[in-house]
Amino acid sequence: EADIYQTPRYLVIGTGKKITLECSQTMGHDKMYWYQQDPGMELHLIHYSYGVNSTEKGDLSSESTVSRIRTEHFPLTLESARPSHTSQYLCASSEWNRGTGAFFGQGTRLTVV
Amino acid sequence: QKEVEQNSGPLSVPEGAIASLNCTYSDRGSQSFFWYRQYSGKSPELIMFIYSNGDKEDGRFTAQLNKASQYVSLLIRDSQPSDSATYLCAVRQVDNFNKFYFGSGTKLNVKP
Repeated sequence: EADIYQTPRYLVIGTGKKITLECSQTMGHDKMYWYQQDPGMELHLIHYSYGVNSTEKGDLSSESTVSRIRTEHFPLTLESARPSHTSQYLCASSEWNRGTGAFFGQGTRLTVV
Repeated sequence: QKEVEQNSGPLSVPEGAIASLNCTYSDRGSQSFFWYRQYSGKSPELIMFIYSNGDKEDGRFTAQLNKASQYVSLLIRDSQPSDSATYLCAVRQVDNFNKFYFGSGTKLNVKP
């Protein structure tokens, strides 16, 4: 079944640790996105990609980095986690067709202590 | 100015009533418009999209688009308690790197 997967679903980690949030999709979509969402708040675009080896920063400044070495895989890395990074991180993908929306993974809820 | 504006609510309607959710957007270059439903603690789920002026119906849901007024709405007929969620309006700017911009969402409560 075509889908988009994020792991882990929940992560509690200490300050200063390096973390990688995984995102994979089996829909063959070229475009992928990372959004950050605090509870009850709006989604903010932090990274996006058009395809392999193409990544851009979003409208919300983020200390995280991303890579796109394979079409299906779009991991997000934080080199040194801080409590201010505590949030929900949502990965999404879409086709180029304007009539298609973005499909979201289940999200990773990150808590940095 | 935000790309997408929504009333945060909450909007409360009785079971069986019509719920009307509204959204305005700022960029006239926006080409596609989407409604997502997000339950608390879950990720957004796409429920409707529209890109032509007028109405589009899908089951109990009707999306309405007025590009001249830069206005999008979602009607939910025969509202059910299971419809209680936050509804996000989103626009896709094809000429702006195909980015999706989301509103902050309207919380809908359907009372039994």
